[in-house]
Amino acid sequence: GNSVTQMEGPVTLSEEAFLTINCTYTATGYPSLFWYVQYPGEGLQLLLKATKADDKGSNKGFEATYRKETTSFHLEKGSVQVSDSAVYFCALSVTNYGQNFVFGPGTRLSVLP
Amino acid sequence: NAGVTQTPKFQVLKTGQSMTLQCAQDMNHEYMSWYRQDPGMGLRLIHYSVGAGITDQGEVPNGYNVSRSTTEDFPLRLLSAAPSQTSVYFCASNPLASYEQYFGPGTRLTVT
Repeated sequence: GNSVTQMEGPVTLSEEAFLTINCTYTATGYPSLFWYVQYPGEGLQLLLKATKADDKGSNKGFEATYRKETTSFHLEKGSVQVSDSAVYFCALSVTNYGQNFVFGPGTRLSVLP
Repeated sequence: NAGVTQTPKFQVLKTGQSMTLQCAQDMNHEYMSWYRQDPGMGLRLIHYSVGAGITDQGEVPNGYNVSRSTTEDFPLRLLSAAPSQTSVYFCASNPLASYEQYFGPGTRLTVT
C-alpha cells in the first residue's frame, strides 16, 4: 500500500537555524508529493508540491526535491523564523487528480527567538 | 469568499449520542472529503465525494455516514458516538483537476 514516513519531532530550533524535516514514501504507481503546514488552531494549508521526479517545490523560503531513487521529499529552509512554528505534514497522492491523499504523522516545529 | 467552513468548532457528546458535523464550501469544487486527525497518526480519510450524489468510503469509514445532495455541502453524521471517535475532524475540498486541497478550520469532538 501507500504510506508516508516522516520524523515526528518535536523539532526545536533557534531563529535563523537551518531546518530539515525528512520524509520518505512508499507508493504503487507514480505519486505526486506535497508538504502541508498547520498553524495553531487552523486547518492545513498547502506549502509546496512536486509532481514528477527531480521537480523542486518551493514557497516562503521552504524547498523540497522529489527524489525517486531514494523515495524521499525532504523539506528544507535555510533560516527559520519564529513565525514558522507549526506542524508540517508530508503527503502523497497516486491518482490523476490528487484525490485520496495519504498523510504522514506530522512534525511539530518550534522556533525560539 | 469564505472557502471551506465547518460547524461547530467544538463539541462534547456522551457515548451513544448522534450528531452531524457540517461542512460547506463556496468554491464550486467537485471533490470534498472528511478526515480525522489523531496524535501521531496524521490525517486519515473517512469518506469522500467526487460530486453531488456520489460518495465513497475512505480508510476509516466505520461509525460515520455522509451524503452529498448539493455541490456546496458535505455533512458527516456520527450515528452512535463512541470514545474512539474523540478526534479533530477536518473537511477539505478541491477541484477534480487540481492537487491542492483547501481545508476547513476543523471541529474538535470529545466523546465521554
